[in-house]
Amino acid sequence: NAGVTQTPKFRVLKTGQSMTLLCAQDMNHEYMYWYRQDPGMGLRLIHYSVGEGTTAKGEVPDGYNVSRLKKQNFLLGLESAAPSQTSVYFCASSYSRQGAAEQYFGPGTRLTVT
Amino acid sequence: EDKVVQSPLSLVVHEGDTVTLNCSYEVTNFRSLLWYKQEKKAPTFLFMLTSSGIEKKSGRLSSILDKKELFSILNITATQTGDSAVYLCAVGSGGGADGLTFGKGTHLIIQP
Repeated sequence: NAGVTQTPKFRVLKTGQSMTLLCAQDMNHEYMYWYRQDPGMGLRLIHYSVGEGTTAKGEVPDGYNVSRLKKQNFLLGLESAAPSQTSVYFCASSYSRQGAAEQYFGPGTRLTVT
Repeated sequence: EDKVVQSPLSLVVHEGDTVTLNCSYEVTNFRSLLWYKQEKKAPTFLFMLTSSGIEKKSGRLSSILDKKELFSILNITATQTGDSAVYLCAVGSGGGADGLTFGKGTHLIIQP
């Protein structure tokens, strides 16, 4: 079991460029989440999905889009990157709604936007 | 807006000491409180608490929740250098998005 994996691990973008972060999980979890972690800010929820084909906004969704075409994958897109999106991005998954089960985290993607 | 506050933000102790980390919260429709340990990469799960007064224990780590006073503590006894990490507290609520609301974390450093 690989658990939750993320690609790429590191990326440097120029302002205005676009990119997609991929999250994959092999635990057959229904729920998947994208968080960003900034110094002094803790982890903040960007978007989440409660099942294949569904997505919803979290606390800080602006500037990001997501898709969940397959149960095991959750994609995070940046259409026009901005320096404020420099952060470490974590994907997580859970077999049940939060409150009933813990979330398992991927290793993170460190993104720098210049 | 859901809020989770951890204290202290950083703590330096010597190996063998006992530490207590604090987490207080204000959330709509509380469901659970979780503790994670984060070393250099992904947060790893420690405990999930849903009921008041029931201690959860794993080795030298233990945690308890007080739903009346809206806080939780994480205790680590006989600390070791491998316990050095950022400890994150997170709360799940029914007040909106399905994700967790995290505190800023406590950066714990264990000196040999």
